[in-house]
Amino acid sequence: NAGVTQTPKFRVLKTGQSMTLLCAQDMNHEYMYWYRQDPGMGLRLIHYSVGEGTTAKGEVPDGYNVSRLKKQNFLLGLESAAPSQTSVYFCASSDSMYEQFFGPGTRLTVL
Amino acid sequence: SQQGEEDPQALSIQEGENATMNCSYKTSINNLQWYRQNSGRGLVHLILIRSNEREKHSGRLRVTLDTSKKSSSLLITASRAADTASYFCATDDKTGRRALTFGSGTRLQVQP
Repeated sequence: NAGVTQTPKFRVLKTGQSMTLLCAQDMNHEYMYWYRQDPGMGLRLIHYSVGEGTTAKGEVPDGYNVSRLKKQNFLLGLESAAPSQTSVYFCASSDSMYEQFFGPGTRLTVL
Repeated sequence: SQQGEEDPQALSIQEGENATMNCSYKTSINNLQWYRQNSGRGLVHLILIRSNEREKHSGRLRVTLDTSKKSSSLLITASRAADTASYFCATDDKTGRRALTFGSGTRLQVQP
């Protein structure tokens, strides 16, 4: 049981480049979430999904897109990366509004 | 904006001492959770307290909730060096959004 996995673990982009972060969970959870964490701050919700084929905006959705084509996967896309998107990105999943299970994070630097 | 704000932002204690951290939030909630984050790692769920509960225990953890003051506290008793981590409170809200809002966290350093 791998839990929640994230790919890649690290990435460096140049301004304007695009990339996709992949989150996968093997716990058959309905809910999945993407957060970003900046130094000295808590997590801020980017987008989330309450089931396969659904997505919804969180607190800071601008500049990001998501897709949940399969129940076990939640993709986060950056179409045109900006330095302000330098952050650590965490994916989480849950079978309710209760305990969330987190992945190990992706550290993204945009130059 | 953050729903929850933790206090203090940083806390340094000696092994064996108790650590108390506080969380304040702004809107009515269904439940409040506490999470722990070791440096460079993802968050791990510690404990959940429902809005109709006032106190909950789990091992060396004690959580209180005062909905009238919109605040919660996490007490770690007999702390160990391995408790060194950041601790976050997280709240749902009653909008039906099905997502949590995290506070800014308390960084706990336990000196051996």
